[in-house]
Amino acid sequence: DVKVTQSSRYLVKRTGEKVFLECVQDMDHENMFWYRQDPGLGLRLIYFSYDVKMKEKGDIPEGYSVSREKKERFSLILESASTNQTSMYLCASSPRSSSYNEQFFGPGTRLTVL
Amino acid sequence: TQLLEQSPQFLSIQEGENLTVYCNSSSVFSSLQWYRQEPGEGPVLLVTVVTGGEVKKLKRLTFQFGDARKDSSLHITAAQPGDTGLYLCAGLTGANNLFFGTGTRLTVIP
Repeated sequence: DVKVTQSSRYLVKRTGEKVFLECVQDMDHENMFWYRQDPGLGLRLIYFSYDVKMKEKGDIPEGYSVSREKKERFSLILESASTNQTSMYLCASSPRSSSYNEQFFGPGTRLTVL
Repeated sequence: TQLLEQSPQFLSIQEGENLTVYCNSSSVFSSLQWYRQEPGEGPVLLVTVVTGGEVKKLKRLTFQFGDARKDSSLHITAAQPGDTGLYLCAGLTGANNLFFGTGTRLTVIP
């Protein structure tokens, strides 16, 4: 069963902490994405990557960075967590061959910053 | 950023009823996807519609892409409790970027 996994389902951090969210996919997909999901706002794209070592800013990259050292792994980093980064974080992947960028999602990490 | 508005935002209905969820934008999309997200899980792709006016059926779910490729609808016939979840539309631009709608949270009461 192919899947996207995320390192934690729930995470509680303090303001100012450095936070790492890990995502791994076993489908050999080239494209990987990080979104945050907030009520009434849908999913908003933070960063994406079309290949190893590549990264592109999405719609809301401020306060975040990413790392893609291996094809299967895409990490989201909050350098100094703030309370307004409390949210659900979703990782997704898609194959380069997909004509419509149809994405496979992980179960999400619910992050609370106190 | 393309804006995709979904309506209604919340919908609570009895088992067996029919319902329609709407996804509207002022932007044109090359294709449109619908996802369903169950509590505690990530979104799962239901369908992709590509051609203006296209209608696709998935058992009791009927998806339509507007003629101008700016809007879409999802109609569910005889809703069941298993249909409960957050329904998200997502439009694909010519640059292959996917923009998600605001979501409709559906609750089907047994």
